[in-house]
Amino acid sequence: EPEVTQTPSHQVTQMGQEVILRCVPISNHLYFYWYRQILGQKVEFLVSFYNNEISEKSEIFDDQFSVERPDGSNFTLKIRSTKLEDSAMYFCASSEGVGAGYTFGSGTRLTVV
Amino acid sequence: AQKITQTQPGMFVQEKEAVTLDCTYDTSDPSYGLFWYKQPSSGEMIFLIYQGSYDQQNATEGRYSLNFQKARKSANLVISASQLGDSAMYFCVSSGNEKLTFGTGTRLTIIP
Repeated sequence: EPEVTQTPSHQVTQMGQEVILRCVPISNHLYFYWYRQILGQKVEFLVSFYNNEISEKSEIFDDQFSVERPDGSNFTLKIRSTKLEDSAMYFCASSEGVGAGYTFGSGTRLTVV
Repeated sequence: AQKITQTQPGMFVQEKEAVTLDCTYDTSDPSYGLFWYKQPSSGEMIFLIYQGSYDQQNATEGRYSLNFQKARKSANLVISASQLGDSAMYFCVSSGNEKLTFGTGTRLTIIP
């Protein structure tokens, strides 16, 4: 069964450093998403991406965050200058279309120290 | 805007019993989808079941069924014949335009 692949599974970074979280969505999917889950809290929407541009973003997704699909297969989330409160599980997801099934990756656990 | 409410933060159920996890939703979108995802302690998000707002029949997937009551705006998950491996966090999720809105989750623990 096709799956969404995320790397790395765990990342520890120092406050103020830049991190890039990587995702390979399912190949025939058109919509890509990033969500995050702070430990013990609910899953929050960050951004959706379609047709090589951001289609929607949340209040959380400020100027510190950016997304890219650099080569037609990878979908990356960059956090420019990490803060302690960025520590969370970050999930990538993809779907064929609006209202279609969403497949999540297994997540990247980011710890900012 | 969409809102999902899961009123059961935690549940304990005897193995082999059926369990119902409650979910109510609030949305102004005329067309929407409702999902349930399972998150085991390892952290991944596993799709369980989907119900479209215009689907006439309740969705079923193996031991999972979704009790969809549109007038009441509820989408409860029923797990029949629970197993120890069902112990996990369960999220009720809605989709409107593109993004998903998650509930706060119910932690289900199956007791042997």
